[in-house]
Amino acid sequence: EVQLVESGGGLVQPGGSLRLSCAASGFIFSNYWMSWVRQAPGKGLEWVANINQDGSEKYYVDSVKGRFTISRDNAKNSLILQMNSLRAEDTAVYYCVRGIGFDIWGQGTMVTVSS
Amino acid sequence: DIQMTQSPSSLSASVGDRVTITCRASQAINNYLAWFQQKPGKAPKSLIYGASNLHSGVPSKFSGSGSGTDFTLTISSLQPEDFATYYCQQYNSYPLTFGGGTKVEIK
Repeated sequence: EVQLVESGGGLVQPGGSLRLSCAASGFIFSNYWMSWVRQAPGKGLEWVANINQDGSEKYYVDSVKGRFTISRDNAKNSLILQMNSLRAEDTAVYYCVRGIGFDIWGQGTMVTVSS
Repeated sequence: DIQMTQSPSSLSASVGDRVTITCRASQAINNYLAWFQQKPGKAPKSLIYGASNLHSGVPSKFSGSGSGTDFTLTISSLQPEDFATYYCQQYNSYPLTFGGGTKVEIK
């Protein structure tokens, strides 16, 4: 079964850091672009970042550039989002998503930035 | 950035109705258009890619059409499990962007 499982969410103070992980299974992870998409409470979907198959290309939405870093470990079938200098507006459910066309989604992990 | 505008933002429909949702891009996106369904408290589910191609396992009551800047998602006969929020998304250029969503409610 194709599956993406996120972890690492939680409550963090403004200015703090958090590292999200996504464990992939059921498909050849190294063959796919991977993305992070977030959804603030009661709001729509927002693409955050993505990374190509070997990690040599990375793209970010402007609001997280310089603060978030996407990476992957193909040997461990793992996608990472390192989030620094967190702000209240980063509060959201963060989804790990397969491919450019977003065909498979994880269940999401909640990140709350609050003092 | 490419802006994606969905209409309507919400609609009320009855079981058995034919429903059409529109998505307009602020510039041409070469049919790099996807549709997603999201139910409350759940992750989005992919329905359509490339404007008109159904993902594996998606029932044929869903269809997508359009080209250039104007696209539609049609549900041919609305069933109780179809009441949800639907999003379009362009993947032609960065930043990848979503429409604001269309909430389909029971009349």
